Amino acid sequence: DQQVKQNSPSLSVQEGRISILNCDYTNSMFDYFLWYKKYPAEGPTFLISISSIKDKNEDGRFTVFLNKSAKHLSLHIVPSQPGDSAVYFCAASRARGNTGKLIFGQGTTLQVKP
Amino acid sequence: DTEVTQTPKHLVMGMTNKKSLKCEQHMGHRAMYWYKQKAKKPPELMFVYSYEKLSINESVPSRFSPECPNSSLLNLHLHALQPEDSALYLCASSRLDRGGNQPQHFGDGTRLSIL
Repeated sequence: DQQVKQNSPSLSVQEGRISILNCDYTNSMFDYFLWYKKYPAEGPTFLISISSIKDKNEDGRFTVFLNKSAKHLSLHIVPSQPGDSAVYFCAASRARGNTGKLIFGQGTTLQVKP
Repeated sequence: DTEVTQTPKHLVMGMTNKKSLKCEQHMGHRAMYWYKQKAKKPPELMFVYSYEKLSINESVPSRFSPECPNSSLLNLHLHALQPEDSALYLCASSRLDRGGNQPQHFGDGTRLSIL
């Protein structure tokens, strides 16, 4: 049973345009959500997070939106740059349980074309 | 540059060997994690240590034996592994607070191949 889903395996956008990566979850107990970026031969790099008490969090070019009623979150990258080309994972956890257990989605490969 | 350092970067071992993976962080994090990642799949949690004590074991086979000698170090001892254990093994660390909203920071992993 996949509790965190990224239904788009890949996404291609033009440099300078917006990239929108989507993620859905099924477990209503999740209350902390994160996005990671992964380059080949490197570990995941933390990008941005959001707790369930918020519906938006912004950090530079990266904005995460959370729609709790739809159990959906998205990552917006504006403007997209060729260096953003990587695999993006969303992840979720039950922060209040403080177990540290992250459940990852399958990942979306983003390609930003110059 | 990652602040979580994993060694070795690559490891090839036979099914009868004993080896260890090492992970080190100096960010003062009191939670440390081991994940396994197969090709084209997301990372899957194996173990969690909180304040140097094992708090989660995700039903991992006993041929994987974690150890946390101090707050900066995390080891994963390997013995009698199977070919299906070939994967990228990732270590991560995070702060611990009551709210639990702390991101995990990953090392670059050890690429393990079992012959």
